[in-house]
Amino acid sequence: EPEVTQTPSHQVTQMGQEVILRCVPISNHLYFYWYRQILGQKVEFLVSFYNNEISEKSEIFDDQFSVERPDGSNFTLKIRSTKLEDSAMYFCAGRDNNYGYTFGSGTRLTVV
Amino acid sequence: AQSVTQPDIHITVSEGASLELRCNYSYGATPYLFWYVQSPGQGLQLLLKYFSGDTLVQGIKGFEAEFKRSQSSFNLRKPSVHWSDAAEYFCAVGPYFGNEKLTFGTGTRLTIIP
Repeated sequence: EPEVTQTPSHQVTQMGQEVILRCVPISNHLYFYWYRQILGQKVEFLVSFYNNEISEKSEIFDDQFSVERPDGSNFTLKIRSTKLEDSAMYFCAGRDNNYGYTFGSGTRLTVV
Repeated sequence: AQSVTQPDIHITVSEGASLELRCNYSYGATPYLFWYVQSPGQGLQLLLKYFSGDTLVQGIKGFEAEFKRSQSSFNLRKPSVHWSDAAEYFCAVGPYFGNEKLTFGTGTRLTIIP
C-alpha cells in the first residue's frame, strides 16, 4: 500500500534555528497538508496545499512557517526561527480524489 | 465552523469486552466522518470513513462505526477488544465547502486490561 514518507523521524534543534521537515506524498494525491500534535494534545491543522499554492492556513501558520513543493514530489515545511513552543509531532498528509487522507508517521521536533 | 467532540478522554476496557468510543460533530452539511488510530509514537492510521449511504460502516481491525444524523454522532465500536487495540483514537470531520482540511477531536486514549 502506498505510503507518505516523512524525514527525519526526529529532529532536535536549538531555539532560533531554521528547520525543514520533509515529506514525500503519494504520487496520485493532489492535496497536501501539514498538521501538528503537541505532546498529549489534539492533532491541529496547519496548512493545505493544492496546485502549487496554499489553499488554506490556520492561525498557527504565521510568517515563521512556509511550505514548498520544490520538485513536484517532495513537500516541505520550513520553520524559520524555531521557538520552544514549536516542539511537537508534525504530520504530513495527502488526499486523493475519493477523500482518502493518508498520513505519514510524523517528525518529532524538539526545540531546546 | 466544523468541530468534533470526543467526550471521553480515557477509557479502560478488559480484554475481550466490547468497546464504544463516542464522537459528536458540528457541521453545516452532510459530514464526511473519519476515525483514526494512533499507537504510541506512531502516525495516524485510518480505521474507517463515512461519506454517505449505509450508516453502519465497517473498517479495519474489526471496528465499525454508526452515523446517526439525529444525534450528530459517529460512535466507534468493536465487539471484542484485543490488547493490541490499546492506542489513541481520533474522530475527524471534513472537508467543508471551500476548505479541504480535516478537523480532529481531542482523542480518546484506550487502555486494555487483562
